[in-house]
Amino acid sequence: ETGVTQSPTHLIKTRGQQVTLRCSSQSGHNTVSWYQQALGQGPQFIFQYYREEENGRGNFPPRFSGLQFPNYSSELNVNALELDDSALYLCASSSSTPTNTGELFFGEGSRLTVL
Amino acid sequence: AQTVTQSQPEMSVQEAETVTLSCTYDTSESDYYLFWYKQPPSRQMILVIRQEAYKQQNATENRFSVNFQKAAKSFSLKISDSQLGDAAMYFCAYRSLLTGANSKLTFGKGITLSVRP
Repeated sequence: ETGVTQSPTHLIKTRGQQVTLRCSSQSGHNTVSWYQQALGQGPQFIFQYYREEENGRGNFPPRFSGLQFPNYSSELNVNALELDDSALYLCASSSSTPTNTGELFFGEGSRLTVL
Repeated sequence: AQTVTQSQPEMSVQEAETVTLSCTYDTSESDYYLFWYKQPPSRQMILVIRQEAYKQQNATENRFSVNFQKAAKSFSLKISDSQLGDAAMYFCAYRSLLTGANSKLTFGKGITLSVRP
């Protein structure tokens, strides 16, 4: 069983640039969610995708957007980067089937630094 | 909106001893999940233990157990026979079970656990 994989693991951008982060969900999982984790803090929910549609969003501005593809992989796009966007971005997958145990399976994250 | 509070930023335990990590939460819902996740320096969140709110029995996973007090909205994690590999950041998290709700987790700020050899 393949786990959740994310790329890139680290990247550095400058203010105003755009970034795309990628995530492959765990085999058999149809739901992907993204979290932002600032240093020393708990993860904050950005949004979730199910069947290629966004079906939940946290308190993040529209410059945070995403996609989910037919194979359930996902992208997180952030436009007009700000210094405060520096964080670890975590992708998590889960299954929406009735046997779902409720837990999310996380990738190792993408560490974004904005200079 | 639900909130999760972890008021202890750091804790330390001697190897082989027992430690308890505290968590409280606030919700108006009656059905939900609670989780403890571990995040080692490798950054990947790993599930430690899960509790369904409708179950009165406290969850147990090997050396890890919880004390779930639904009325008090308290969910503490007990780690017995602590090992060096238990050193990590631990997060308490809440997930709603409302029909149609997405799988959003609400996390606390976390607690850094160190294990002394």
